[in-house]
Amino acid sequence: SQTIHQWPATLVQPVGSPLSLECTVEGTSNPNLYWYRQAAGRGLQLLFYSVGIGQISSEVPQNLSASRPQDRQFILSSKKLLLSDSGFYLCAWIPLVTNTEAFFGQGTRLTVV
Amino acid sequence: AQSVAQPEDQVNVAEGNPLTVKCTYSVSGNPYLFWYVQYPNRGLQFLLKYITGDNLVKGSYGFEAEFNKSQTSFHLKKPSALVSDSALYFCAVRGYGQNFVFGPGTRLSVLP
Repeated sequence: SQTIHQWPATLVQPVGSPLSLECTVEGTSNPNLYWYRQAAGRGLQLLFYSVGIGQISSEVPQNLSASRPQDRQFILSSKKLLLSDSGFYLCAWIPLVTNTEAFFGQGTRLTVV
Repeated sequence: AQSVAQPEDQVNVAEGNPLTVKCTYSVSGNPYLFWYVQYPNRGLQFLLKYITGDNLVKGSYGFEAEFNKSQTSFHLKKPSALVSDSALYFCAVRGYGQNFVFGPGTRLSVLP
C-alpha cells in the first residue's frame, strides 16, 4: 500500500539552530512531493515542490531549503532557524498514476524558542 | 492566477441538521477541485474531488459537493451533521500545472 511518513511529530529548537525534517513515501515511484507550512492552524502556504530527484521549485523566498536526494525522500532544511519559522509543517504527495488529489503526512509541529 | 475563497471563517450547525461549507474559486481552464478535513494537530485528510463528469460528487463520511461552473463554486454538503464532523475544512483548486492552492479554511462546529 501507499503511505507517507513524516517525522518528527514535534520539535522544539532554539533560534539559530539547524533544522532537518524528513518525509518519505512508500509504495509508489516518481511522486510529486510538496512541503507546506500552516500557521496558527489555518491556511496552508506552499513552500516547495518537486517533480523528480534533484528538482526543487521554491514558491516563496525564506529561510528554508528543500532537497530530494532520492525518488521518495523529501527533506526540508534550515541552517539557522528564526522565531518566525515556527509552525506546522506538512509534507504531501501526488501519485503519478492518478495525478489528481494530494495525500498528506501527519505533520511536524515546530516551535522555535 | 489560481485562488480559492472560503467566505465563512466559522460554521455552526446543530447535530442532525444539514451542513454546507462554501467555496468559490478562480482558475484558468478546467479546474480540479478538492475538499480536505483536518483534525487538531493532524495532517489533512482527503474527502472528495471533482475532475470531470457529474456536478455532484460523493466522498468519504457521507460528504458530497456540488460543482457549479457558472458560479465558480464547489460547496461541501452533508445531509445530517455529526458532532464528530467538527473540524477544519479546506477547499483546494488545482489548475494548469502541479500546484494546489488552498482556501483559508472553515472551522465547522457541530453542536449536540
